[in-house]
Amino acid sequence: EDQVTQSPEALRLQEGESSSLNCSYTVSGLRGLFWYRQDPGKGPEFLFTLYSAGEEKEKERLKATLTKKESFLHITAPKPEDSATYLCAVQWAGTSYGKLTFGQGTILTVHP
Amino acid sequence: NAGVTQTPKFQVLKTGQSMTLQCAQDMNHEYMSWYRQDPGMGLRLIHYSVGAGITDQGEVPNGYNVSRSTTEDFPLRLLSAAPSQTSVYFCASSPLSDSGNTIYFGEGSWLTVV
Repeated sequence: EDQVTQSPEALRLQEGESSSLNCSYTVSGLRGLFWYRQDPGKGPEFLFTLYSAGEEKEKERLKATLTKKESFLHITAPKPEDSATYLCAVQWAGTSYGKLTFGQGTILTVHP
Repeated sequence: NAGVTQTPKFQVLKTGQSMTLQCAQDMNHEYMSWYRQDPGMGLRLIHYSVGAGITDQGEVPNGYNVSRSTTEDFPLRLLSAAPSQTSVYFCASSPLSDSGNTIYFGEGSWLTVV
């Protein structure tokens, strides 16, 4: 069964303390891997899409990378406003367009 | 820009009641979908549509109906609400131009069934 697993479930950082979030997936053909940010009481906000192993994308303090079995979301010198739940989702090859399988998310808390 | 708009934001239903969650998008996106989000289970796909008149089931379709009469609107109907349908519901849309396009989400509808 195709699965998406995120780790850790929760991560507490001090402001400025860089770290990484992990998203691993079982391989049955990947069309795209998505990263979203979700604030409490809000809908997921799109961050990145990665399509192939070796691809990297950056946005401010965030950098997403992709290998054949996992993706990392690197957070460099985080600030308290980076606190949120980060969701990973996979679009499998061979499935109907737009169908995403989500991981359970990583709750990030950045303390000042 | 309105983007994806969901109504209502909050709703309390009694078991057995029916209701419709509304979703509208103003981006002329072909693809629209409904997800539910439950603690510890992530977002799960309920139903989706790739265009007006076309709908299909997702991972957890039981107890829900959808229709797509226009490009803009994709309502989700709960036929006979059950406590297991207490959840947060998100509508999403994206263009169908190629794979991996950005999928935009609404702000969510919080539903409690008592």
